[in-house]
Amino acid sequence: GENVEQHPSTLSVQEGDSAVIKCTYSDSASNYFPWYKQELGKRPQLIIDIRSNVGEKKDQRIAVTLNKTAKHFSLHITETQPEDSAVYFCAAHRGGGSEKLVFGKGMKLTVNP
Amino acid sequence: GAVVSQHPSWVICKSGTSVKIECRSLDFQATTMFWYRQFPKQSLMLMATSNEGSKATYEQGVEKDKFLINHASLTLSTLTVTSAHPEDSSFYICSARTSGGFYEQYFGPGTRLTVT
Repeated sequence: GENVEQHPSTLSVQEGDSAVIKCTYSDSASNYFPWYKQELGKRPQLIIDIRSNVGEKKDQRIAVTLNKTAKHFSLHITETQPEDSAVYFCAAHRGGGSEKLVFGKGMKLTVNP
Repeated sequence: GAVVSQHPSWVICKSGTSVKIECRSLDFQATTMFWYRQFPKQSLMLMATSNEGSKATYEQGVEKDKFLINHASLTLSTLTVTSAHPEDSSFYICSARTSGGFYEQYFGPGTRLTVT
C-alpha cells in the first residue's frame, strides 16, 4: 500500500523567512496530493492541493511542487507569519477506486516573531 | 462552502458505556465520510470509510463491533464507541468528500472522548 514520509518533523523559523516541508510517497499510482494545516485542538484545514498532471501550484504565500519521477512533493511557505505556526500534514491519494488519503506524520512549524 | 460539523465536541463517559458521535455535512452532500482517530502529537489514523447506504469499510486492526459506523443519509454519519474503555480515550475526527469533487476531504472539528 501507499506510504507517505514527511520531513522534517519540526521546523522553527523567524518571521518573514521561508519554510519548506518535504514529503515522499511510494505508490506511483497516486494522483492527488493535498496539504492540511492543523492548529492545536482544531480540525485539519485543506490549504492547497495538487494533482498529478500539474508540477506546481501557487496560492498567495503558499506553493506546492510535485516531482512524479522522484515521487516527492513539497510545500513552500514564503514570508512566514506567526499565524502560520501549526502542524502541517501532507497526504497522497492512490486512486484506482480507493477513497482514502494516506497521511504523513506531520511537521510542527513554529514561526518566531 | 464544504462545512462539516461534529457533535459533541467533547464527551466524558464511564467505562462500559457507549458513546455516539455525529458527523454532518452542512452545505453539501457527502457520499463518502471518513472516521479518524488522532493521538496527541500524532498523525491522523484512518479507522473506517463510510459510504451512504452501505456498510463501512474498516481499516486493519479496527474492531468493527466496537466502533459502529452508520451512514444513513448523504449528510450524516455516526460513530458509536461501544463498551468504552479508558484506552478508547482519544480525539475522533470525521471528514467528508463532496460527491462532485475530486478527492478533497473536509474535516469536522473533532470530538474529544475521555473514558473514566
